[in-house]
Amino acid sequence: DQQVKQNSPSLSVQEGRISILNCDYTNSMFDYFLWYKKYPAEGPTFLISISSIKDKNEDGRFTVFLNKSAKHLSLHIVPSQPGDSAVYFCAATQDQGAQKLVFGQGTRLTINP
Amino acid sequence: EPEVTQTPSHQVTQMGQEVILRCVPISNHLYFYWYRQILGQKVEFLVSFYNNEISEKSEIFDDQFSVERPDGSNFTLKIRSTKLEDSAMYFCASSTRQGARETQYFGPGTRLLVL
Repeated sequence: DQQVKQNSPSLSVQEGRISILNCDYTNSMFDYFLWYKKYPAEGPTFLISISSIKDKNEDGRFTVFLNKSAKHLSLHIVPSQPGDSAVYFCAATQDQGAQKLVFGQGTRLTINP
Repeated sequence: EPEVTQTPSHQVTQMGQEVILRCVPISNHLYFYWYRQILGQKVEFLVSFYNNEISEKSEIFDDQFSVERPDGSNFTLKIRSTKLEDSAMYFCASSTRQGARETQYFGPGTRLLVL
């Protein structure tokens, strides 16, 4: 089941620069997308989300972009900080049923000083 | 800030034994979920629960699994006869109400190791 894919298992970015994490999905029924951040030995922490009726949502240093035609979303972090080093999961859901989250494999982001 | 808690943080058990993983969701939340993450793999949905019954379950959630809300605060996942492949991190999550736009908040997880 590869409905949500994060093709980059890892990403390394210099502190202060922009981090861009990518996610693709195949199920056109998905209408809500979320990014979670996970530190070792902790559960996923909600970061930011976007509805399919929008193409951009911004919250401080974090912006999520959605391209529905390409079934692609991305998370931009700018400027990147050392505390942003974590595993980032893209997740998708649809506004029917129990709203189970379908996760990507995660991208490990490392911010270098 | 309210948070989802899970106990134990680690559990080691022998194959064939029963385990119960416990979760205390955020107090005003009504929808509860279990997910698991096998080492190196994705976080996978197991089951959702509302109003004392299962809303949806995945193929993984077979007859060996059950969930219960035994009182007003706890939400448990029971695995009746554990298998080696049940070794994983198990996450509980909760949300205020149903709807894709309702954020699910996750607990820290229970690492289950079946020997």
